[in-house]
Amino acid sequence: EIVLTQSPATLSLSPGERATLSCRASQIVSSHSAWYQQKPGQAPRLIIYEASQRATGIPVRFAGSGSGTDFTLTISSLESEDFGIYYCQQRGTWPWTFGPGTKVEIK
Amino acid sequence: QVQLQESGPGLVKPSETLSLTCSVSGDSIRTYFWGWIRQPPGKGLEWIGYIYYSGDTNYSPSLKSRVTISLDTSKNQFSLTLNSVTAADTAVYFCAVGRGGFVDYWGQGTLVTVSS
Repeated sequence: EIVLTQSPATLSLSPGERATLSCRASQIVSSHSAWYQQKPGQAPRLIIYEASQRATGIPVRFAGSGSGTDFTLTISSLESEDFGIYYCQQRGTWPWTFGPGTKVEIK
Repeated sequence: QVQLQESGPGLVKPSETLSLTCSVSGDSIRTYFWGWIRQPPGKGLEWIGYIYYSGDTNYSPSLKSRVTISLDTSKNQFSLTLNSVTAADTAVYFCAVGRGGFVDYWGQGTLVTVSS
């Protein structure tokens, strides 16, 4: 099973700041990674798929990059609505797995 | 647009069977996978498995001996059955629909508690 590690565990930033979230896979997954945002009491929402493709309706301030084993989600200018837990996911090998999440807090 | 709604008991006794159904409405999703993901309270997300419209399935190796996912295309529903549950199976269960291994649509989630 491919293990995903995310860092940092928590990110506390002010509106307008840049957020950089990292995800590392224990094996190569090519570009087959995604990012989801989850808010309390809600289902996750797909933000990025195939490492760098924005999902439908996702603002351009969200950008994904990376390939192989290392992936990054960048939020160029944080807005208050961007708080939540961000999970990366790989679909390179079954079982597809999620990372433990990065909590983004808005100062 | 696709809408998903889970239904089923919120409380299951240890050693018994957990059964959930997901009703799907909206756009045609014949080319999607239909899956289940769970999230223990306060913890992360775990894939349980998925089924394609063709009937092909894939289950998490850690749950494979206890899980079945089935599809009723006439009703636009798919179901999860998990046998011999323990307290470790207590979680919010999400039904999920997507393509290429990523989830485009999620149900709201339903909490299932395993307790006597």
